Amino acid sequence: AQSVTQPDIHITVSEGASLELRCNYSYGATPYLFWYVQSPGQGLQLLLKYFSGDTLVQGIKGFEAEFKRSQSSFNLRKPSVHWSDAAEYFCAVGGTTDSWGKLQFGAGTQVVVTP
Amino acid sequence: EPEVTQTPSHQVTQMGQEVILRCVPISNHLYFYWYRQILGQKVEFLVSFYNNEISEKSEIFDDQFSVERPDGSNFTLKIRSTKLEDSAMYFCASRGARSPLHFGNGTRLTVT
Repeated sequence: AQSVTQPDIHITVSEGASLELRCNYSYGATPYLFWYVQSPGQGLQLLLKYFSGDTLVQGIKGFEAEFKRSQSSFNLRKPSVHWSDAAEYFCAVGGTTDSWGKLQFGAGTQVVVTP
Repeated sequence: EPEVTQTPSHQVTQMGQEVILRCVPISNHLYFYWYRQILGQKVEFLVSFYNNEISEKSEIFDDQFSVERPDGSNFTLKIRSTKLEDSAMYFCASRGARSPLHFGNGTRLTVT
């Protein structure tokens, strides 16, 4: 069965520092992988996606993620965080029958940015 | 940029009452979804809808739930007789062919 694990429930980072959010998945075939961000009172906004090709994908807001099949990981990174990056981040994997739309989400990582 | 819009943003209802959550997907999208997030838990898939019928549904989506696309723009989720455990944030989402989901801002449903 598919599963998505985000090991870090909560991360605190200083403004200007780098950020890495971990995501591990369990999936039989090549997965469709997504990172979404949720700011308070907002919906889920797509940051980036991967389904084939270059394993380093660029997203919006200066984020990137790297797909590593050998480690079953799809970690999200940003070189220098801004206060506006404080939010909850969700990793998700697409389903076998509907890879784009039927998603299984991780539990989320709450990111706090300190001055 | 086009958005998925959901109304109301917050709905309070009494146990046993029917509620209808409304969504206007992005206009040229063909695939529609409902997800929910119970406080402190993961975002969960409820149902997908395409070509005027349910494509898939989760085991959560029992006979108390139904979805409808009553006209060319709206997509609704009805809960027939709400239970306390239905309290959650409900997200509508839509997508085009071979493209990722766009989510609305959600409706927070509180069942008292």
